[in-house]
Amino acid sequence: EVQLVESGGGLVQPGRSLRLSCAASGFTFDDYAMHWVRQAPGKGLEWVSGISWNSGSIGYADSVKGRFTISRDNAKNSLYLQMNSLRAEDTALYYCAKDPSGDYGDDAFDIWGQGTMVTVSS
Amino acid sequence: QSVLTQPPSASGTPGQRVTISCSGSSSNIGSNYVYWYQQLPGTAPKLLIYRNNQRPSGVPDRFSGSKSGTSASLAISGLRSEDEADYYCAAWDDSLSGHWVFGGGTKLTVL
Repeated sequence: EVQLVESGGGLVQPGRSLRLSCAASGFTFDDYAMHWVRQAPGKGLEWVSGISWNSGSIGYADSVKGRFTISRDNAKNSLYLQMNSLRAEDTALYYCAKDPSGDYGDDAFDIWGQGTMVTVSS
Repeated sequence: QSVLTQPPSASGTPGQRVTISCSGSSSNIGSNYVYWYQQLPGTAPKLLIYRNNQRPSGVPDRFSGSKSGTSASLAISGLRSEDEADYYCAAWDDSLSGHWVFGGGTKLTVL
């Protein structure tokens, strides 16, 4: 069974850092691009970042560029999101999503995890 | 303010056909595929339509997608109570360095 399990969310003060992880199973992880998509409470979906199968191509939403860093470890079937200089507006449920292609800009999100909640508040 | 524009709400009675629109521009829908996602209350989004009009295995053929110019539509025929959910469109946007954009979502109510 294809599965994505996010972890690492929690309550953090503005300006601090947090690292999210996504453990993948049930598919050949290093064949596919991966993404982070977030959803603020009661709001719509927002793409955060994407990474190609070999980490050779990476993209970010303008809202997180320079603060967030996406990475992956294909040997561990894991995706990460390092979030620095967190702001209140980063408060959201963060989903890990699989791409059906190898590059993050070629196709969209076919499998989603259940999400991990990040709350930025003092 | 979302890059793709969807109506905030839609409704229909069981058995009816409803459509949800998604409007964009030449840099997104006008030049790239459109995708549709269904999000049932309290759950993660699920891929409903990919590449404008393709259904993943397991998605009923009651769901169909279309695209024309810079707009796209999701049609649901034979509406059922379990179709009550939020629906989102998405597309790649070629502007700047390229990024994915979503519609603001449409809450579908089955009356």
